[in-house]
Amino acid sequence: GENVEQHPSTLSVQEGDSAVIKCTYSDSASNYFPWYKQELGKRPQLIIDIRSNVGEKKDQRIAVTLNKTAKHFSLHITETQPEDSAVYFCAASGGSNYKLTFGKGTLLTVNP
Amino acid sequence: KAGVTQTPRYLIKTRGQQVTLSCSPISGHRSVSWYQQTPGQGLQFLFEYFSETQRNKGNFPGRFSGRQFSNSRSEMNVSTLELGDSALYLCASSFLTDPNQYFGPGTRLLVL
Repeated sequence: GENVEQHPSTLSVQEGDSAVIKCTYSDSASNYFPWYKQELGKRPQLIIDIRSNVGEKKDQRIAVTLNKTAKHFSLHITETQPEDSAVYFCAASGGSNYKLTFGKGTLLTVNP
Repeated sequence: KAGVTQTPRYLIKTRGQQVTLSCSPISGHRSVSWYQQTPGQGLQFLFEYFSETQRNKGNFPGRFSGRQFSNSRSEMNVSTLELGDSALYLCASSFLTDPNQYFGPGTRLLVL
């Protein structure tokens, strides 16, 4: 089955800096790659996603890139703000299998 | 539309007991997935139901079971509870073949 590795497990940045979280996946059939943000005590919320026919997608300060050949995808957050502090999860699913396989999460701390 | 709801929000049980958790998806969503979230293991997929049929299953023992009703509401049951079953149980719903999943607030289960 699919296996998703996520790095780093923790990331601390200064406000205004950029943050990058990287994930790799194992199943070449995977074609959908969402990113979720989970604030303390709250539910995971989808912040951005990318499908395998696209190499990059941006939404304001957030961008995701996908390298299908290398089977890795990354989340980029620019101009970080304290409210970006949360746990971020990457995930992958694909083909006829709608099951989402998650990475173990990255705790991002943005220091004011 | 109302979001995904889960009941109860908190539960305390003792080892050996069983528990049933409920999830009501967003109106019109027919797929419901269940996840176990623990600090060490992140989000682990339990199973997914679509139109009352289990479509995918994760690597959990048979003590974990689920079902889906004709109105798409879903329940999961854990029998013979163990201490290690203490976790946040999240359900997520999605619309037809759209892989975007929307999470409920979760049920926090504590097994003593």
